Amino acid sequence: DTAVSQTPKYLVTQMGNDKSIKCEQNLGHDTMYWYKQDSKKFLKIMFSYNNKELIINETVPNRFSPKSPDKAHLNLHINSLELGDSAVYFCASSQGPWKAFEQYFGPGTRLTVT
Amino acid sequence: DAKTTQPTSMDCAEGRAANLPCNHSTISGNEYVYWYRQIHSQGPQYIIHGLKNNETNEMASLIITEDRKSSTLILPHATLRDTAVYYCIVRVAKGGGSEKLVFGKGTKLTVNP
Repeated sequence: DTAVSQTPKYLVTQMGNDKSIKCEQNLGHDTMYWYKQDSKKFLKIMFSYNNKELIINETVPNRFSPKSPDKAHLNLHINSLELGDSAVYFCASSQGPWKAFEQYFGPGTRLTVT
Repeated sequence: DAKTTQPTSMDCAEGRAANLPCNHSTISGNEYVYWYRQIHSQGPQYIIHGLKNNETNEMASLIITEDRKSSTLILPHATLRDTAVYYCIVRVAKGGGSEKLVFGKGTKLTVNP
């Protein structure tokens, strides 16, 4: 069983479109995260949710809106996609905020905006 | 959090030990050292962490110097599947729910046959 799963694995879309990426974890963790890894391979945190509540919100354009319907799911919706949004997006989870440094990552979603 | 310095890249022969250094000369007494790795096209993977004492698990060993200014991650018998970027991260246990992983550039380890 996959611990942290993401769908889709690949996403190719045009500028201006709206798209969503889904993440699910079956580890029973309370905290989930979204990261962006750009073309230079820098990996940066975007958001963190604990028990469906937003606890970390980095400087991210408000076109990005995370949604956590329950503590096992954290989805990322992106409005009005831009070329610079092309990246690999990783979802992760941890037991709780106190275990933020022991995270389990998903396989990533490669987003290409044309 | 303390800054870390790692070599950009390293090579290792398959079956030999891979020793990956990390310099964290400004580390404070309550800061932990964490190691992650990212195999190509996969999500990062937690490896090990420590505070003062050396640590070992099924994946690796972590050796922290007595002054805690540097550490070494040891993969005792490197395999081709250990080829990855290895990240050394230090953190302080602040609590409060605002802690976050901050990834640097890491060390690209290539294990050669």
